[in-house]
Amino acid sequence: SQQGEEDPQALSIQEGENATMNCSYKTSINNLQWYRQNSGRGLVHLILIRSNEREKHSGRLRVTLDTSKKSSSLLITASRAADTASYFCARGGSARQLTFGSGTQLTVLP
Amino acid sequence: NAGVTQTPKFRVLKTGQSMTLLCAQDMNHEYMYWYRQDPGMGLRLIHYSVGEGTTAKGEVPDGYNVSRLKKQNFLLGLESAAPSQTSVYFCASSYTSVETQYFGPGTRLLVL
Repeated sequence: SQQGEEDPQALSIQEGENATMNCSYKTSINNLQWYRQNSGRGLVHLILIRSNEREKHSGRLRVTLDTSKKSSSLLITASRAADTASYFCARGGSARQLTFGSGTQLTVLP
Repeated sequence: NAGVTQTPKFRVLKTGQSMTLLCAQDMNHEYMYWYRQDPGMGLRLIHYSVGEGTTAKGEVPDGYNVSRLKKQNFLLGLESAAPSQTSVYFCASSYTSVETQYFGPGTRLLVL
């Protein structure tokens, strides 16, 4: 079963606006990862944040992690139409596998 | 580098037929995974492997078998396909169990 969920399930914004997606989880983690999936494609890794990190940046992406609240957020700044995709968080814990959430569908309108 | 490749890209099966999906990676990764993705859902782990000659069950293993005879290849088999196995199947690989996973493009399977 999936531990935790992304929120919101769907998000629609205008080009140039910021998009924020949240991920909650229930058990302890070693790291938390964010992936993007364009329609009909495989998942592409975006960023990994370790449990001892609080914030990480990569280009227009900013990820935060609050282990006390068991939550993470992904911020995409100055969104573009090409950012339209599904975004998934994945929790890396003690088991030999990642646990994926059900994703947030982001639509960026031109 | 081709990364992770999957064959076939698309397949239609009749109930009861069998087939094998092939995943290949050229990154010398120890870990390989098979997931299924159904509409509106995330990925669910079917089976995984922590090295050549090893396999382990994931969240939804029933109806599937796997083999990892060579480090670069991970095969997913359906012995008797059922309509409930209609899905998109993704293979992934990684250096370790909790680091970045690299995904293939997916195989779309329709079981009639």
